[in-house]
Amino acid sequence: DIVMTQTPLSSPVTLGQPASISCRSSQSLVHSDGNTYLSWLQQRPGQPPRLLIYKISNRFSGVPDRFSGSGAGTDFTLKISRVEAEDVGVYYCMAEYTFGQGTKLEIK
Amino acid sequence: QLQLQESGSGLVKPSQTLSLTCAVSGGSISSGGYSWSWIRQPPGKGLEWIGYIYHSGSTYYNPSLKSRVTISVDRSKNQFSLKLSSVTAADTAVYYCASSYCGGDCYPLDYWGQGTLVTVSS
Repeated sequence: DIVMTQTPLSSPVTLGQPASISCRSSQSLVHSDGNTYLSWLQQRPGQPPRLLIYKISNRFSGVPDRFSGSGAGTDFTLKISRVEAEDVGVYYCMAEYTFGQGTKLEIK
Repeated sequence: QLQLQESGSGLVKPSQTLSLTCAVSGGSISSGGYSWSWIRQPPGKGLEWIGYIYHSGSTYYNPSLKSRVTISVDRSKNQFSLKLSSVTAADTAVYYCASSYCGGDCYPLDYWGQGTLVTVSS
């Protein structure tokens, strides 16, 4: 079974500053079709999760361009270029029906 | 855009069966390329994928829950359902339903319901 490991588990960030979350999978996520189905979700307090990024780096509909994803193989990163107050919440990476533990983004 | 809404019993006794339904609006549950998932989140904890059903009716279940889970579709009502048997307190969680679409591109878990809290207690 794939294990998804996120770091850090908590990330205090100053408004307007960048933030970065890492996700590592226990095995390569490259699918037999050549795609890598690594996604990022955001869960704001009291809300259901929301798809942010799919296939490593593609922003879902309505997602601000301050969110970006990168990586390949087993190592992936979600970056927020300038954190806004509405970005507070927990971020999950996900692949093959397995979620990371979640990273809590909070404002300093 | 799709809208999903969970419903069902919020309190289940230990050893009994948890039953939830997810009503889909804004699209047909039989549309090609779609799968329909159940995910849960224990209070204060992370997400766990329970399983999904394809538009065709084929299913996938989390191996850790497989022996207790059934996901089915009711096309006449445009909804899908979850049954989880022999529940214990460890099954207490917010249960979410969600859609995924894979056609020209693949969007996993693109739309979610608001979630429903199920508590297992006598």
